[in-house]
Amino acid sequence: SQQGEEDPQALSIQEGENATMNCSYKTSINNLQWYRQNSGRGLVHLILIRSNEREKHSGRLRVTLDTSKKSSSLLITASRAADTASYFCATDANDMRFGAGTRLTVKP
Amino acid sequence: GAVVSQHPSRVICKSGTSVKIECRSLDFQATTMFWYRQFPKQSLMLMATSNEGSKATYEQGVEKDKFLINHASLTLSTLTVTSAHPEDSSFYICSAIDRPIYNEQFFGPGTRLTVL
Repeated sequence: SQQGEEDPQALSIQEGENATMNCSYKTSINNLQWYRQNSGRGLVHLILIRSNEREKHSGRLRVTLDTSKKSSSLLITASRAADTASYFCATDANDMRFGAGTRLTVKP
Repeated sequence: GAVVSQHPSRVICKSGTSVKIECRSLDFQATTMFWYRQFPKQSLMLMATSNEGSKATYEQGVEKDKFLINHASLTLSTLTVTSAHPEDSSFYICSAIDRPIYNEQFFGPGTRLTVL
């Protein structure tokens, strides 16, 4: 079964715009992580947010976590063509399970 | 951050042969390692959870006799694809958890298996 489920499945924006992706999960967690995956490449860890945190920043990334709604969002500000990739959230419930991912396309 | 390596990064084999993929945690002890596979344009799929010193737990639909997992030490897990067939061609990714560091997961770079 999948623990994290990203929304939308696909997102296409222009360079410079902001991109927001959402993730929902089902059970209690210790932390939630966001990853990116370029086509044919391994996953790259972006950011981890713990269950007692509500918001976290890393460069152009902003992650929020709402444990009452069991949801998280990833905001990429001032997007670049190089941000084109698939983005996954994963939760920790004794193991890590991924959703289907959001495929982000940033057009130059 | 912690590093997980996989070997080989790419392998091409003939149908019917067996292929072993190694996953190593280089600077930490991984009590738990996971194996994923990813078909083109599809999401990662968890295949099995491997705990050091015990039998792997396979996800539903994954044949344990087909995909042999061994986690003999805290730094090494191996996935052996036995009697590989073209439909086994996929991208295989391992990951490892270092429990003392708050369950953060570290991924290997992946192994691309092509079965001719």
